[in-house]
Amino acid sequence: QVQLQESGPGLAKPSETLSLTCTVAGASTNSNYWSWIRQTPGKGLEWIGSIYYPGSTYYNPSLKSRVTISLDTSTNQFSLKLTSVTAADTALYYCAGGHSSYFDHWGQGILVTVSS
Amino acid sequence: DIQMTQSPSTLSASVGDRVTITCRASQSVNNWLAWYHQKPGKAPKLLIYKASSLQSGVPSRFSGSGSGTEFTLTISTLQPDDFAIYYCQQYNTYWYTFGQGTKLEIK
Repeated sequence: QVQLQESGPGLAKPSETLSLTCTVAGASTNSNYWSWIRQTPGKGLEWIGSIYYPGSTYYNPSLKSRVTISLDTSTNQFSLKLTSVTAADTALYYCAGGHSSYFDHWGQGILVTVSS
Repeated sequence: DIQMTQSPSTLSASVGDRVTITCRASQSVNNWLAWYHQKPGKAPKLLIYKASSLQSGVPSRFSGSGSGTEFTLTISTLQPDDFAIYYCQQYNTYWYTFGQGTKLEIK
């Protein structure tokens, strides 16, 4: 059974960098696609980006200049960095994984609030 | 980006009903379309991929159809566990996008 768990600070200050980690159990990060998705009441579900071993990345063009997704196969984790955050980046952030570009498995989500 | 539009936004139905939700894409996504449902406080759950392929473990009362720009998700006989928000997602291009959601509520 594949399980994903997001971790990281629940609060970020405007203009700073939001950093989240997803720990994967029951599957290996040296295969499959691994993604970050966020959800807000206003914009709904928004795909942030995906990574495929050994490091091919695909980002939402509207966020691309601020996003980095990386993979650490030694710890079976992948990470999200989103720079220069604003209040508009306040959201419930999910990590997700799958065999393709849809999302078979999801973490429980982590709420990140951007506020000074 | 490809815009995904679902209809209706809200659907009221009763246990035992047959319901259909529609998802339209602003341009062709071939059959690269997935359906999810989401219950309060939970992450979305994959139901259908590649427009009509049932995800392992998902009940057979769920079915998907369509290609190009128009797709449907059908629940043949509604069960109490099915009341949730339903989303479509296209993955035809490397800018994956979701529909705005259809809330399926109890009549």
